[in-house]
Amino acid sequence: KQEVTQIPAALSVPEGENLVLNCSFTDSAIYNLQWFRQDPGKGLTSLLLIQSSQREQTSGRLNASLDKSSGRSTLYIAASQPGDSATYLCAVPLEETSGSRLTFGEGTQLTVNP
Amino acid sequence: DGGITQSPKYLFRKEGQNVTLSCEQNLNHDAMYWYRQDPGQGLRLIYYSQIVNDFQKGDIAEGYSVSREKKESFPLTVTSAQKNPTAFYLCASRKAGNYGYTFGSGTRLTVV
Repeated sequence: KQEVTQIPAALSVPEGENLVLNCSFTDSAIYNLQWFRQDPGKGLTSLLLIQSSQREQTSGRLNASLDKSSGRSTLYIAASQPGDSATYLCAVPLEETSGSRLTFGEGTQLTVNP
Repeated sequence: DGGITQSPKYLFRKEGQNVTLSCEQNLNHDAMYWYRQDPGQGLRLIYYSQIVNDFQKGDIAEGYSVSREKKESFPLTVTSAQKNPTAFYLCASRKAGNYGYTFGSGTRLTVV
C-alpha cells in the first residue's frame, strides 16, 4: 500500500527566504507525482505535475524534483512571499489508468511572514 | 474557461436528512472523484467514476451514494446512514492518459 509523508507539517519563514518542502512515498513504482496548493477553506490548485520519467519541473518561482529510486520529491520555493502562505500537498496515483486514485500526503502548512 | 463547479459552497443538514452535493465539469474529462477532507486527516476517497454509468467505491463509501448519468456531472448524496458527515467535500476530475487532476472549490457540509 502506497503511503505518502510530508515533512515538515508546518513551516514559518520570513519573506524572501528560499525554502524546501519534502514529500516521500513508500512505493517507487509511481506513474507521476503532483504538487497542489490549498488556501484555507478552498479547493486544491495544481502547481506542478512530474511524470515518472522526469527529474524536475519548473513554474515561475517553483521547482519540483523527483527521485523515484529514493521515493522522494521536493518542492523548492524561491524568494518566498506572504502570498505563498498556504498548505502544500503532494499526491501520487495508485494505478496507471484514467481512473487512478490519488494518495495524498497530509500537507505542509507554510506561513511566510512579511 | 473550463473548470469544475461545486455547489453549494456551504450546506447545512439536519439529522436524518439526505443531501446532495453537485459537481459539474466542462473539461471533457473522463474520470471524476469525490474526496472528503477532515482536519488533521488529509483527503480520503469516497467514490470515483471512470466512465458514464459506472462508478467504484473508494476507501470511505459507507453512507454515501453517487451517480454518473452524464460525463459532465457526478453528484454525491450524503445519506442519513453517514454518522459523521460534517466535513469539507472536494470533487476532482482527470482526463484519460498521463494527465494531472483538477479540483473544484469544495462544499463545506455541517450537520445542525
